[in-house]
Amino acid sequence: DAKTTQPPSMDCAEGRAANLPCNHSTISGNEYVYWYRQIHSQGPQYIIHGLKNNETNEMASLIITEDRKSSTLILPHATLRDTAVYYCIVSPTNAGKSTFGDGTTLTVKP
Amino acid sequence: GAVVSQHPSRVICKSGTSVKIECRSLDFQATTMFWYRQFPKQSLMLMATSNEGSKATYEQGVEKDKFLINHASLTLSTLTVTSAHPEDSSFYICSARDHRTSYNEQFFGPGTRLTVL
Repeated sequence: DAKTTQPPSMDCAEGRAANLPCNHSTISGNEYVYWYRQIHSQGPQYIIHGLKNNETNEMASLIITEDRKSSTLILPHATLRDTAVYYCIVSPTNAGKSTFGDGTTLTVKP
Repeated sequence: GAVVSQHPSRVICKSGTSVKIECRSLDFQATTMFWYRQFPKQSLMLMATSNEGSKATYEQGVEKDKFLINHASLTLSTLTVTSAHPEDSSFYICSARDHRTSYNEQFFGPGTRLTVL
């Protein structure tokens, strides 16, 4: 799996958009970008994934740069419940295992 | 959405005993399940990949005789921590891939907090 780099922590004001960056400069052509989050003492939660096009679902938007070397997860209107550790992972389809890095601790403040 | 359960959610045991943790996919079949361990303030560490009907693949440094994994059906994988010691105390999390999709998203269980006294 390609290695990803994320800032260790970020703050965001409640109601504002949270933009979480991820660098994956060694990503291969067949690797997808996946985002998960983990709220304290719970199992991780799948958020979104993409290959090269931008993606949006009910939870978030994923913006992938044209060269695919980085991406940004956007939570459009952050709430206090979005406080969590966010993990960016790159992995091929049907690859099996995924390697978790250290993630970004997002703190949403009132 | 896909739901994965784990049982028990929390277990306390004495040193030297064995503990079994169950991971179930509730509304989908999972040909592949994964077991992770997470220590406080650390990221998830993959322990092993469990494939239905075959032997698990363990990550480097994980003792397969200590962490027994059985994936006997498409909806159930079990992790048995044998002869547990205090250093095995950790948060154990399983995940499962939905075999119907061609993508690699994983659905995680809520985790099991193991405390070995």
